[in-house]
Amino acid sequence: NAGVTQTPKFRILKIGQSMTLQCAQDMNHNYMYWYRQDPGMGLKLIYYSVGAGITDKGEVPNGYNVSRSTTEDFPLRLELAAPSQTSVYFCASTDWTENSNQPQHFGDGTRLSIL
Amino acid sequence: EDQVTQSPEALRLQEGESSSLNCSYTVSGLRGLFWYRQDPGKGPEFLFTLYSAGEEKEKERLKATLTKKESFLHITAPKPEDSATYLCAVFNMDSSYKLIFGSGTRLLVRP
Repeated sequence: NAGVTQTPKFRILKIGQSMTLQCAQDMNHNYMYWYRQDPGMGLKLIYYSVGAGITDKGEVPNGYNVSRSTTEDFPLRLELAAPSQTSVYFCASTDWTENSNQPQHFGDGTRLSIL
Repeated sequence: EDQVTQSPEALRLQEGESSSLNCSYTVSGLRGLFWYRQDPGKGPEFLFTLYSAGEEKEKERLKATLTKKESFLHITAPKPEDSATYLCAVFNMDSSYKLIFGSGTRLLVRP
């Protein structure tokens, strides 16, 4: 059971370039999330999804876009990379329901540098 | 505004020296509090969920407790392999299940 898989693990971008961070989960979880973690800081929510076809903004959505066409995949798109987007990006998923507070399961992150 | 504050930011212990990490929170209608462990270069790994004041959970050398304003992660006789960053997160009655994370405590246990 692979859990949450993120690719790539590392990437260096030039200012203004675009890229897509991939996230896939094989646990049939409805809820998926994208976070960013800056050095010495906690995780900040970028976007989340409660199911295929449904996405919503988190705390820091500017400069990012997401889509959720399947239950398994939740890619994060950076259109015009800026130095402020240098960070470690984590994807997470959960099968949380109103009656069960299941934890979020995390991938191992994508380390992104924008120069 | 919902907030989570963790202290200390960093903690150095000798092997076998017990201590506690603090997570204080301000949230409207706490529904649950999570503790995660994060190793360098890895994603957070789930440790505990606490739901109500007075609740306690244990796992090996770790014990998590919860009051109405804060949670403690007690580490008894730590070993070097307990070295990691420990993250606390809360979520409230908003059914969107969005977690609010603290900035973590970096724990180093020296042999």
